[in-house]
Amino acid sequence: DGGITQSPKYLFRKEGQNVTLSCEQNLNHDAMYWYRQDPGQGLRLIYYSQIVNDFQKGDIAEGYSVSREKKESFPLTVTSAQKNPTAFYLCASRTSGGGWNEQFFGPGTRLTVL
Amino acid sequence: EDQVTQSPEALRLQEGESSSLNCSYTVSGLRGLFWYRQDPGKGPEFLFTLYSAGEEKEKERLKATLTKKESFLHITAPKPEDSATYLCAVGPSNTGKLIFGQGTTLQVKP
Repeated sequence: DGGITQSPKYLFRKEGQNVTLSCEQNLNHDAMYWYRQDPGQGLRLIYYSQIVNDFQKGDIAEGYSVSREKKESFPLTVTSAQKNPTAFYLCASRTSGGGWNEQFFGPGTRLTVL
Repeated sequence: EDQVTQSPEALRLQEGESSSLNCSYTVSGLRGLFWYRQDPGKGPEFLFTLYSAGEEKEKERLKATLTKKESFLHITAPKPEDSATYLCAVGPSNTGKLIFGQGTTLQVKP
């Protein structure tokens, strides 16, 4: 089945540690996105990538880093510089050919800082 | 500034009681308006895309409509399994990004 996978589902981090969240898609989509979701708030864009080896900062990129070495993979690293990393993280992808197409989401990773 | 506002924040309905959710937007050049359903602890599930004013789309008990300033998600005779958070998002021109509203949490009681 085609889709987006995120791992792990739950992640616990000690203060001062960097952690990496995995996002893989087999939909052959060009564009990939990382969002953060906090209770009572909408999805906020962290980083996005429209082609391999290129990515742009979203609205809340501080304390996060990404890479896009392969079309199907877009890992997100939450660094120790992120002051309040506890949140639900969502990865999405979409095909970028012709017109505006919907984004499809993975199941999410819930990160908790201990 | 591009902005999306959803109302109400929360909605409680009895099973079979039809209602509508609102998504108001201000955006520089709308390229698409998207509706998603999100269950607790899960990723959003895509429902509809609307591209131009006057457009309507339906799926089971849900019907989405679009004007130049807002979109409505009409729920006809809802069932308890329709309980979820419904998210609206808009795609401004030439950015490759979506802007999301805060969502409406719907609870349908049997």
